[in-house]
Amino acid sequence: EVQLVQSGAEVKKPGESLKISCEGSGYYFPGSWIAWVRQMPGKGLEWMGIIYPGDSDTRYSPSFQGQVTISADKSTNTAYLQWSSLKASETALYYCARLLWSNGGRSFDFWGQGTEVTVSS
Amino acid sequence: QSVLTQPPSVSAAPGQKVTISCSGSSSNIGNNYVAWYQQLPGTAPKLLIYENNRRPSGIPDRFSGSKSGTSATLGIAGLQTGDEADYYCGTWDNSLSADVFGTGTKVTVL
Repeated sequence: EVQLVQSGAEVKKPGESLKISCEGSGYYFPGSWIAWVRQMPGKGLEWMGIIYPGDSDTRYSPSFQGQVTISADKSTNTAYLQWSSLKASETALYYCARLLWSNGGRSFDFWGQGTEVTVSS
Repeated sequence: QSVLTQPPSVSAAPGQKVTISCSGSSSNIGNNYVAWYQQLPGTAPKLLIYENNRRPSGIPDRFSGSKSGTSATLGIAGLQTGDEADYYCGTWDNSLSADVFGTGTKVTVL
């Protein structure tokens, strides 16, 4: 059974750093892209970026380039999303999702349960 | 600001059918496959439709997808109370070099 299990909720102060995780199981983790998706309170889904754990090839949405860092450790089947200096506006629910890339079509077939990040002074 | 536009809400009585539109452009829907996701309250999104009209294993055939030009449509037939959720379309945008999602549509069963 394919599963993506994310780390628990975080409460941080503005300016603090944070790294959240997404551990995959039930499939060959290095061989599938993993994306990060933001959902701000009461809002829609925003694609942040994506990583191929096999070689750590990483792409970012223009909206998030320079704001976050995506990484992965294929030895532990884990992808990460990190911030060096959080802002209150980054309070949101963050999902990881596995990319299904077939016949040229892209979709996200399995999702983590989400990690809630609250940034408040 | 999403590049894919959906109606904020649609509603119908149990057993009826609803359709949700997703409007884009030639840089996204016009030249790429579309997927649809269901997000039940308080849960993670779930893939409903991929490659415009294909259903993953376990998704009932009450859910259907289609694409024409720069728009896509999700249909939900035989509406059930358990279908009350937010629905999002998604695709790749060639100009942004990014995956994009629609603005989302809330389905209410009257």
